[in-house]
Order: sequence, then C-alpha cells, then structure tokens
Amino acid sequence: EVQVVESGGGLVQPGGSLRLSCAASEFIFSSHWMHWVRQAPGKGLVWVSRINSDGSSTMYADSVKGRFTISRDNAKNTLFLQMNSLRAEDTAVYYCVRGMYSSSPGGFDYWGQGTLVTVSS
Amino acid sequence: QSALTQPASVSGSPGQSITIACTGTSSDVGSYNLVSWYQQHPGKAPQLMIYDVSKRPSGVSDRFSGSKSGNTASLTISGLQAEDEADYYCCSYAGSRNSVFGTGTKVTVL
Repeated sequence: EVQVVESGGGLVQPGGSLRLSCAASEFIFSSHWMHWVRQAPGKGLVWVSRINSDGSSTMYADSVKGRFTISRDNAKNTLFLQMNSLRAEDTAVYYCVRGMYSSSPGGFDYWGQGTLVTVSS
Repeated sequence: QSALTQPASVSGSPGQSITIACTGTSSDVGSYNLVSWYQQHPGKAPQLMIYDVSKRPSGVSDRFSGSKSGNTASLTISGLQAEDEADYYCCSYAGSRNSVFGTGTKVTVL
C-alpha cells in the first residue's frame, strides 16, 4: 500500500528553523511530483510547494517564497521541506502529498497523516 | 494567491442530492481541466474524490461526480449518506501559481 509519512514537526520560536521529512514507500518515488500542503488550525487547505520528479524544478506559494526550500532524495525515497525565518502564521499541520502524474500537474492522490508545526514564543 | 470560492456550508437530507460550487477565474479553473475535489473528515487527512474535473479514483463511490462550466467547477453528491458529512475542498491547477485550493465547504447531513 502506498504510504507517505511525515516527521519533524514541533514547537519553534518565531524566526527559527525546522526541517520536515516525508518517507515514501510502496511506489516508485522517483516517478512522481511531490507537494507540501498545509492547514492552519480550523482553517482550509493551502498549497505550499512542489518539486518535480528528479528535483530539477521547484515552485512555492508567495507566502513562503524565499523562506522555505523543498528538496528530495530519490535514492532514499524521502521528501524534505526546510523552513527558515518561521512566523506565527506558518503554524499549521503540514501534509506531504503525492502528485498523481509523473511529468505534469494534476490531483493529489496520497496524503500523509500530517505533522504539526507550531511557531510561538 | 486568492483561494477559489466555495459556499461555507451545504446541507441535505439522507437520499437527497447536493451540489457544491467552486468558482475561480480564467487563470485557474477556466483555463485547465485539472480540477480535483477532496473530502476531509475531522482530524483526518484529506482524501481525493474527483480528479481532472470528472474522473473518480478507484474505490470512490459513483455517488460522487464532478463537472465544470467556464470558471466554475461543481461536485455533486447523490443519494446523500451520513458518512458523507465532512469538509470538501476543490483545487485547481493555476499555471505559475501551481495549485490553488477552494475555501472549503462543510456538508451537513440533516
């Protein structure tokens, strides 16, 4: 069964950094675009970032551009999100999400259980 | 990056049909047949219900259907059941913005 499992969330002070990881299994990780989607407490879903299959192309939401970096290690079937200069408004559950297609945009067919990031002093 | 617009809530009785609208612009919904819909129960991760406007993933009930006209996409749930009570989000590919989600709709089964 396809699985994506996030880790690395926690409490961090404003201005601090955190690195999220997402371990993928039971599918050809290197064949899929991968995304991060977040959800603030009691709020809706917001797309954060995506990376293409081989890691050569990335995109970010305006709200995180210049502060967050998405990357992947296809040899270890792992997706990352490096989050710097964190703000209170970055507080959210962060979901690791698999893109449906290998070389083009589309829906998100597998979601992790999410990892909570809390930015507070 | 503005979210797609959805009604905050929609309700219906068991067995009825309901439709959730998702309104975007000519830069997202209107330009791409890449609208997807997600169901989210409280405390759970979202689940893909519809992709590419009207396609259903394996395992999703055929009571769920999707369509699009112009800048507005729609999700219809027919034969409403208690288990359908959840939050629903639309999402569209948006070119340079990659993807944009809707504001979310809470479906209540009366």
